[in-house]
Amino acid sequence: AQRVTQPEKLLSVFKGAPVELKCNYSYSGSPELFWYVQYSRQRLQLLLRHISRESIKGFTADLNKGETSFHLKKPFAQEEDSAMYYCALRPDSWGKLQFGAGTQVVVTP
Amino acid sequence: NAGVTQTPKFRVLKTGQSMTLLCAQDMNHEYMYWYRQDPGMGLRLIHYSVGEGTTAKGEVPDGYNVSRLKKQNFLLGLESAAPSQTSVYFCASTESGINEQFFGPGTRLTVL
Repeated sequence: AQRVTQPEKLLSVFKGAPVELKCNYSYSGSPELFWYVQYSRQRLQLLLRHISRESIKGFTADLNKGETSFHLKKPFAQEEDSAMYYCALRPDSWGKLQFGAGTQVVVTP
Repeated sequence: NAGVTQTPKFRVLKTGQSMTLLCAQDMNHEYMYWYRQDPGMGLRLIHYSVGEGTTAKGEVPDGYNVSRLKKQNFLLGLESAAPSQTSVYFCASTESGINEQFFGPGTRLTVL
């Protein structure tokens, strides 16, 4: 069965410092990986998907199939990055997402 | 466009009561999903639908039923609520299984 692990429940960083959110997955096939973000009092929204290889709001994520990881990085954190971040895996074309437990990011000035 | 809407926003139930959560989308999406969000567990899929008249079980379907009588609506029912069903429920929809999912604002349910 597939599994998504986000080892950090809470990440507290200073404004301007780099931030990295870890995500590891277990799945025997070739899944698609995503990062979703939930800002305070807002709905969950897609931040990144690995196939697009984009940088959104300064965030990047690289899929490492050897290490089965999809870590999210940003070189300089901003206060508006404070939010809950979820890593998610989609194993097939039915759209069923498997989410990690989430990492709360707090950026302090 | 309203996108994905959920009714109600909040609800408190007593053990054994029943209720229905409504998810509506105005994007003509085929696929719809119900997730529950619990602290330390992320979001878990309850049921999903790949088209009008179809439903399928997700990861945690026990204690819930769903119906998709109209393409734009996906209903989640609790026949006999239990305290373990206290959670925040999110609905999502997408054009197809490989496209971005759009989420509703959530329904916070407390079962006493």
